Amino acid sequence: AQKVTQAQTEISVVEKEDVTLDCVYETRDTTYYLFWYKQPPSGELVFLIRRNSFDEQNEISGRYSWNFQKSTSSFNFTITASQVVDSAVYFCALLQNAGNNRKLIWGLGTSLAVNP
Amino acid sequence: NAGVTQTPKFRILKIGQSMTLQCTQDMNHNYMYWYRQDPGMGLKLIYYSVGAGITDKGEVPNGYNVSRSTTEDFPLRLELAAPSQTSVYFCASSSLSGGPYEQYFGPGTRLTVT
Repeated sequence: AQKVTQAQTEISVVEKEDVTLDCVYETRDTTYYLFWYKQPPSGELVFLIRRNSFDEQNEISGRYSWNFQKSTSSFNFTITASQVVDSAVYFCALLQNAGNNRKLIWGLGTSLAVNP
Repeated sequence: NAGVTQTPKFRILKIGQSMTLQCTQDMNHNYMYWYRQDPGMGLKLIYYSVGAGITDKGEVPNGYNVSRSTTEDFPLRLELAAPSQTSVYFCASSSLSGGPYEQYFGPGTRLTVT
């Protein structure tokens, strides 16, 4: 069965600390996609990144970086020098892509609080 | 581009009332989805559609109905509203082929049933 686990329910850090959000997935597919979304307190869902199973290169975008490791089925998200504006719920998701049955399998989210 | 739009943003219903949540996307995406998010919880898929005229159930379809007569619109109908349907409802869309496969979300509709 396909599954996404975000074991950290809540994380609290002080501004400027680095923080890593864990995401572990399960799938039998050889081709798959992983995503991270951000949901700030205002409630909207914002797409952050997509990674396909053939590209294990880490990605960096400003203070955000993602570490994809197929060997451990993990797709972790690190925020460097966190800021209060990073406070949000972060969701990891796996694309289930069986023919036309294209649905996202969602983790339960990690709530990140960055305190001043 | 407007992306995915949803109306209304807020609504209060009495038990037993019905309503339609509207969702429109202008990205020519084939896939559209309806999710609900209960307070402090993750997303649960209600219904989805792979194109005009084709819909299918997600994990929590009971109490809801959908239709997809055009590529752009994917309304969600609540019949006989119940307090258990109090939630935030998100509509999303994504591309069919060649990527990108990420889903783009509307701003959500906050529904309270009392």
